[in-house]
Amino acid sequence: KAGVTQTPRYLIKTRGQQVTLSCSPISGHRSVSWYQQTPGQGLQFLFEYFSETQRNKGNFPGRFSGRQFSNSRSEMNVSTLELGDSALYLCASSATGDSPLHFGNGTRLTVT
Amino acid sequence: QKEVEQNSGPLSVPEGAIASLNCTYSDRVSQSFFWYRQYSGKSPELIMSIYSNGDKEDGRFTAQLNKASQYVSLLIRDSQPSDSATYLCAVKPKTSYDKVIFGPGTSLSVIP
Repeated sequence: KAGVTQTPRYLIKTRGQQVTLSCSPISGHRSVSWYQQTPGQGLQFLFEYFSETQRNKGNFPGRFSGRQFSNSRSEMNVSTLELGDSALYLCASSATGDSPLHFGNGTRLTVT
Repeated sequence: QKEVEQNSGPLSVPEGAIASLNCTYSDRVSQSFFWYRQYSGKSPELIMSIYSNGDKEDGRFTAQLNKASQYVSLLIRDSQPSDSATYLCAVKPKTSYDKVIFGPGTSLSVIP
């Protein structure tokens, strides 16, 4: 079974630009969560989608948004990029119930 | 505010020793508990899930759960330099609608 796939793996953007990251969950997983991780920091929860609906949201500004499609694939968008948005963005999927999260390899975003 | 705390690191152990990683959580009704390993620059990798009080063993890893004390631990026997990583404790609340909460992580260094 294929794991969680995130694209692209690396991105370099300029301040003020916007970016879209993509995540394909494990087949059959309907929940997709997004996390931001900066050097030396823990995982900061961005949001979770389930069956195309945002189920939970973290404490990030409105510049961070996401969506989920009917095939459970998810995208997150960051508009008006700031230097502080440079981070590793992780997507994780899970089945329902007590199942754990399974992470993709992440997208490393650098904002210059 | 539901919280997950882990023993502060970094934790250093000699090769072959037992590494003990601890985690406490504040939400008494939490149901599912997970340990992840994260190598520097990589994404978290699930190494153990535990749902019931007691011990669960998987190779050199043993997870211990005590719901009454709101405590979960991870023991790594015969520690190897390849075990050097950050270990993340994660707690999933009772309902599927609550997000998984991660602790800040404990950095483990196994000295040859």
